[in-house]
Amino acid sequence: DGGITQSPKYLFRKEGQNVTLSCEQNLNHDAMYWYRQDPGQGLRLIYYSQIVNDFQKGDIAEGYSVSREKKESFPLTVTSAQKNPTAFYLCASSFKAGGPHNEQFFGPGTRLTVL
Amino acid sequence: AQSVTQLGSHVSVSEGALVLLRCNYSSSVPPYLFWYVQYPNQGLQLLLKYTTGATLVKGINGFEAEFKKSETSFHLTKPSAHMSDAAEYFCAVSLNNAGNMLTFGGGTRLMVKP
Repeated sequence: DGGITQSPKYLFRKEGQNVTLSCEQNLNHDAMYWYRQDPGQGLRLIYYSQIVNDFQKGDIAEGYSVSREKKESFPLTVTSAQKNPTAFYLCASSFKAGGPHNEQFFGPGTRLTVL
Repeated sequence: AQSVTQLGSHVSVSEGALVLLRCNYSSSVPPYLFWYVQYPNQGLQLLLKYTTGATLVKGINGFEAEFKKSETSFHLTKPSAHMSDAAEYFCAVSLNNAGNMLTFGGGTRLMVKP
């Protein structure tokens, strides 16, 4: 089955530690995205990538980093510089970015808790 | 640039009643519009989308939405609510240019009373 996988589903981190969230897709999509969701709020874009070896900052990129070395993979690192990292993180992908091909498919999410 | 407003962060209906979730957008050019549903602790699932053509769009689980350009709206409806419809619903807009991101509304939590 084609889809997007995120791991782990739950993640606990001590303050001051970096942590990496995994996102893999086998939909052959060019574009991939990372969103942050806080309780009772909508989605905020952290980073996105339209093609391998290229990515752009979204609205709230500070304290986060990404890489896109393979088409299938778009890992997100939450660094110690992120002041309030406890949130639900969603990865998504789309065939292309923009226009009618911008229908995004979402993974199941990773809930990160900083202790 | 575009923006999306979802009126009502919480909507409560009785089982069997009409569901109406409101979405208004602002855009300088014709938009593409989407509705997503999110169940607790899960990712988002596409309910339906409008790109071009017929303005009344039917989606999964009995939902439909109508694109009204004059009102800049894309409200989501379902004739008869079911308990399983309880979830959070997000409206999103995209423009027809490469690299344009989806812009999401703040979401509406639908509660269904027995």
